[in-house]
Amino acid sequence: GAVVSQHPSRVICKSGTSVKIECRSLDFQATTMFWYRQFPKKSLMLMATSNEGSKATYEQGVEKDKFLINHASLTLSTLTVTSAHPEDSSFYICSVAGGNRPYEQYFGPGTRLTVT
Amino acid sequence: KNEVEQSPQNLTAQEGEFITINCSYSVGISALHWLQQHPGGGIVSLFMLSSGKKKHGRLIATINIQEKHSSLHITASHPRDSAVYICAVRKVGGSQGNLIFGKGTKLSVKP
Repeated sequence: GAVVSQHPSRVICKSGTSVKIECRSLDFQATTMFWYRQFPKKSLMLMATSNEGSKATYEQGVEKDKFLINHASLTLSTLTVTSAHPEDSSFYICSVAGGNRPYEQYFGPGTRLTVT
Repeated sequence: KNEVEQSPQNLTAQEGEFITINCSYSVGISALHWLQQHPGGGIVSLFMLSSGKKKHGRLIATINIQEKHSSLHITASHPRDSAVYICAVRKVGGSQGNLIFGKGTKLSVKP
């Protein structure tokens, strides 16, 4: 399977600031990347899908101006939480798909965001 | 009723025991994932299945498409296997990332 990393693994930020989370596909040409969010003791929920070089497609209820996604290359996607609020505290997980195995999907380890 | 149901919700085992975690789903699927989430939150992709059986080390995953059921087996369990195991399915015709996740099975392996 593919190796997917996320950075940082944990981040604490103050309300009103922005924080960027990186998702890297280390050995896989990720034409598509997905961003999920997990609230405490809840299942993961898809936030958005991004294709390399295109604008992300957001799921219903996810504010695109608050959660900025950039997928500029086949190995990197970023999620920026803008003007963070304590309600944005959550676990954010990316996953990748594409290359010559389009039906496979690999998950990153996740980033825990705490907004104080 | 959830479209993906896992059982049991919680499982405690002694080191060395054979463990089975079940996942049943009620929709047509094109793929099923088994994920492992550690206490710190980190997620590891264990398997992606569309048919049959896969094995990796002490882990075995099986799927029966007709019965809409998958199992994850752990042989010779070890305390480091303690984690939440999550089943997720991709519906037929659904977008690739729009998975339906089970609520997870929390496994605790005692030494």
